[in-house]
Amino acid sequence: NAGVTQTPKFRVLKTGQSMTLLCAQDMNHEYMYWYRQDPGMGLRLIHYSVGEGTTAKGEVPDGYNVSRLKKQNFLLGLESAAPSQTSVYFCASSASGSIYEQYFGPGTRLTVT
Amino acid sequence: KNQVEQSPQSLIILEGKNCTLQCNYTVSPFSNLRWYKQDTGRGPVSLTIMTFSENTKSNGRYTATLDADTKQSSLHITASQLSDSASYICVVSLGTGGFKTIFGAGTRLFVKA
Repeated sequence: NAGVTQTPKFRVLKTGQSMTLLCAQDMNHEYMYWYRQDPGMGLRLIHYSVGEGTTAKGEVPDGYNVSRLKKQNFLLGLESAAPSQTSVYFCASSASGSIYEQYFGPGTRLTVT
Repeated sequence: KNQVEQSPQSLIILEGKNCTLQCNYTVSPFSNLRWYKQDTGRGPVSLTIMTFSENTKSNGRYTATLDADTKQSSLHITASQLSDSASYICVVSLGTGGFKTIFGAGTRLFVKA
């Protein structure tokens, strides 16, 4: 039981490049989330999904797209990376809504130069 | 404006000592409040969750309190250990129809031998 895994762990992009971050969970959770964590700030929700085939915008969705084609996977895409997207990205999953514990992945450190 | 503020920003204590971390929130309508522990380079891990009707919750040496009237919470750590060195994050969820969670910026705790 691996919990929540994220790939890659580190990545350096040049401005304008694109990439996809992969999140996988093996707990059969319905809800999945993508957050970014910046120094001195709390985690901010980018996008979330309440089930396979569904996605919704969070607090800071601009510049990101997501897909949830399979229940266990949640992909975060950056179509044209910008230096402002330099951050640590965390994926999380939960059985249902906010009352349930969220399980976080180890994070992806992304640097955009 | 919905906000979660934590204090102090950082704290240094000696191993074996107790400490208390504070969380003040201006979130409405309130659903639940969680405390997370985040080790350096890792994702957050849930310590406690409290709903409106709960005013205390313990998890081993960690005890969280909630005063819904004053909108304050605290996390008390008893007999600190070196492994308690981490960031502690207060998270408040709104009781609205969608998914809305506000993360505090965290308190960085250093436990010294």
